[in-house]
Amino acid sequence: KNEVEQSPQNLTAQEGEFITINCSYSVGISALHWLQQHPGGGIVSLFMLSSGKKKHGRLIATINIQEKHSSLHITASHPRDSAVYICAVLWGQKLVFGQGTRLTINP
Amino acid sequence: ETGVTQSPTHLIKTRGQQVTLRCSSQSGHNTVSWYQQALGQGPQFIFQYYREEENGRGNFPPRFSGLQFPNYSSELNVNALELDDSALYLCASNPGTSGSLVFGPGTRLTVL
Repeated sequence: KNEVEQSPQNLTAQEGEFITINCSYSVGISALHWLQQHPGGGIVSLFMLSSGKKKHGRLIATINIQEKHSSLHITASHPRDSAVYICAVLWGQKLVFGQGTRLTINP
Repeated sequence: ETGVTQSPTHLIKTRGQQVTLRCSSQSGHNTVSWYQQALGQGPQFIFQYYREEENGRGNFPPRFSGLQFPNYSSELNVNALELDDSALYLCASNPGTSGSLVFGPGTRLTVL
């Protein structure tokens, strides 16, 4: 069983839709990262969370430490948001990754 | 900010050979971590170095080793290459032992 589970694995939506990607983990963590990976491999860090909620532009990330769950929301989605979104949890000095959610936004 | 750079971009090796991949961390970031990402999979943590000492390791055999240098550069060495070592290898740096990660573009290794 993976220590970090993401859902859905694949998501296709129309431009403008509100997107939610979920991440659940089974171990106690000190922080959780949301990452974005475009085709070709480059990874960009979107958020690092240890509690509560963070917002950056159209992106919102929340974490519930008690429930071991985090969500990434995208408002007013756009085709340029199409990418793989990965959550990764910091467990001691080890970063454990989910398998990623492939998001496709159609115009 | 100079960002994180990796070299080479692509590399082809044969089974049994040894390879060294290089990463130049963002200035001031004294933590570097390395990841292996097989095609279609999420990244897997290989190890992390903080101030030139390994301070965390994932489930990788000892033939995966690393070095970190005082000038914010680091190396990933893989001995006795196997076909399954074919992957994208990413490094990331961050200030201290936690904090927001800055990823390099990766080195794509193919083992034939």
